[in-house]
Amino acid sequence: DQQVKQNSPSLSVQEGRISILNCDYTNSMFDYFLWYKKYPAEGPTFLISISSIKDKNEDGRFTVFLNKSAKHLSLHIVPSQPGDSAVYFCAASAVGGNNDMRFGAGTRLTVKP
Amino acid sequence: DAGVIQSPRHEVTEMGQEVTLRCKPISGHNSLFWYRQTMMRGLELLIYFNNNVPIDDSGMPEDRFSAKMPNASFSTLKIQPSEPRDSAVYFCASSSPGTGTEQYFGPGTRLTVT
Repeated sequence: DQQVKQNSPSLSVQEGRISILNCDYTNSMFDYFLWYKKYPAEGPTFLISISSIKDKNEDGRFTVFLNKSAKHLSLHIVPSQPGDSAVYFCAASAVGGNNDMRFGAGTRLTVKP
Repeated sequence: DAGVIQSPRHEVTEMGQEVTLRCKPISGHNSLFWYRQTMMRGLELLIYFNNNVPIDDSGMPEDRFSAKMPNASFSTLKIQPSEPRDSAVYFCASSSPGTGTEQYFGPGTRLTVT
């Protein structure tokens, strides 16, 4: 049962343009959402998060938007850089739960110079 | 801190053999997670521990998989007997006390079962 879905397995963007990665979830108990970035041969690393009391969180070039009514979140990268090329995982957890997270299948972003 | 440590980094074994993957979480972290990454399913949570106690093992695919955490600084994931479909990258992650906190991942173990 995929409670967190990333329907786009890959995305290709030109350097300097905006990258938009999307994520949908089904469990209404989720109230904390994270994005992880993964380079080849490395473990995922935390990128940015948002709690359900917010609809936007920004950190430099990275912004996460949350639409609770649609159970949808997105990660915007502006401007995109070749070093952003990686697999991005969306994750969700329920604060007050047991600290576990559910991850999406990932989206491979390629930023072309 | 050295981060989450996993060993071995690569494991190649024959079908039917026992495989043991090892993980050392970050000191002070009280939650430990085992994940499997495949092309088809992305990152699947297999099992996680809080304070060395298994909380949810519903993601463990079959009885051939087992995990232990004998103390706060060590965990193992064992597959016996291994099958070719178990080939994947297995990640261990740990997190500090508190719900919703970020998890820190190890570099993973790439398992190939021939």
